[in-house]
Amino acid sequence: DSGVTQTPKHLITATGQRVTLRCSPRSGDLSVYWYQQSLDQGLQFLIQYYNGEERAKGNILERFSAQQFPDLHSELNLSSLELGDSALYFCASSPPNRDYGYTFGSGTRLTVV
Amino acid sequence: AQTVTQSQPEMSVQEAETVTLSCTYDTSESNYYLFWYKQPPSRQMILVIRQEAYKQQNATENRFSVNFQKAAKSFSLKISDSQLGDTAMYFCAFMKPYYGQNFVFGPGTRLSVLP
Repeated sequence: DSGVTQTPKHLITATGQRVTLRCSPRSGDLSVYWYQQSLDQGLQFLIQYYNGEERAKGNILERFSAQQFPDLHSELNLSSLELGDSALYFCASSPPNRDYGYTFGSGTRLTVV
Repeated sequence: AQTVTQSQPEMSVQEAETVTLSCTYDTSESNYYLFWYKQPPSRQMILVIRQEAYKQQNATENRFSVNFQKAAKSFSLKISDSQLGDTAMYFCAFMKPYYGQNFVFGPGTRLSVLP
């Protein structure tokens, strides 16, 4: 167990639907990062939050949004889902005093049918 | 923008042999971090090794070592005495040396260790 918890582990949904992925960072970590990994590809950075505030944006679609709550857990919302959104979605967290101390969760496998 | 290239989509190696995975990157930064991550079938992202660009000495972690050539912007991973458990996708990644930076990942190399 890495300390970063992602739920659910698997999700199957239909095109046009909306889903919410949840991430609880490791205790003490203030930053949360979301990454998307499409089939047999590297991870693409989506968005970062630090202590409740959006810090950086990557290749995140307008149909996708995220937030980090006061208890530091984060949710990634995916709407108007398309077949191409099927992917592994990873969350990672890092502590405030290390600039490379990433820990990844085990990912959520999203399948859009 | 930074880019990371891994030119070997797939590789295989016999158990107990040595294999080298290639990675090149492009950046205008003078200081940065480079990483190799392993992703086994369990999908978990596991840090294998990390190199800080301002350190000339190549990083080593047990059977894993890197050949860091800063001028050539090359960062290869050598796995010695390969084991069946090394079978995984391997991703090379770049990060700027400031707090809160995200990774830039390469496309990955699928390594199969054969018995």
